[in-house]
Amino acid sequence: GAGVSQSPSNKVTEKGKDVELRCDPISGHTALYWYRQSLGQGLEFLIYFQGNSAPDKSGLPSDRFSAERTGGSVSTLTIQRTQQEDSAVYLCASSLGGLAGASTDTQYFGPGTRLTVL
Amino acid sequence: QQQVKQSPQSLIVQKGGISIINCAYENTAFDYFPWYQQFPGKGPALLIAIRPDVSEKKEGRFTISFNKSAKQFSLHIMDSQPGDSATYFCAVAQTGANNLFFGTGTRLTVIP
Repeated sequence: GAGVSQSPSNKVTEKGKDVELRCDPISGHTALYWYRQSLGQGLEFLIYFQGNSAPDKSGLPSDRFSAERTGGSVSTLTIQRTQQEDSAVYLCASSLGGLAGASTDTQYFGPGTRLTVL
Repeated sequence: QQQVKQSPQSLIVQKGGISIINCAYENTAFDYFPWYQQFPGKGPALLIAIRPDVSEKKEGRFTISFNKSAKQFSLHIMDSQPGDSATYFCAVAQTGANNLFFGTGTRLTVIP
């Protein structure tokens, strides 16, 4: 496929459990973003990866959230000890990236993972 | 702190009408203003974007109007169609920064 893919599409978990969300960016895109979209809200920036540089973690809401990107491609967002307020759609996007700061690149979004914490 | 304020939250327009969505920002360092369109169950997709060196950009039925002095920009959808029914997000960014800041979205419904 040519687009960004995410898995699973839906995840229901119990409060206190850990979850892992996966993102496969477009091949060749060096920049990768994670966003959180809560009901009726805009997209909340979580974390940004650019090539092999240290990620920009400034948007992560707590230390229960972490993400990694292996081999400059696939990324995993991990939420530990999930809380009900973590329920949201988690979106991944990728862009060509390149020079420092990719904010003005076109971002291509995946379909998201809908997380429900019971 | 919301970097960009978007209104209205929802909008209902008759087929053939004009849909107008507005956004306002404070930080004059922003120099990139895109609009994203999101259909249910899908991720957002870039619709149209503008830089502050022009006051208007048109692509088909979609136009961005930009008012630098007022720090406002808007999306106009001419001849709105039911297929335009979606959620629209404005965003702002600064060249060299890492991320976009998104508005809270406008849910557009075009009635046949």
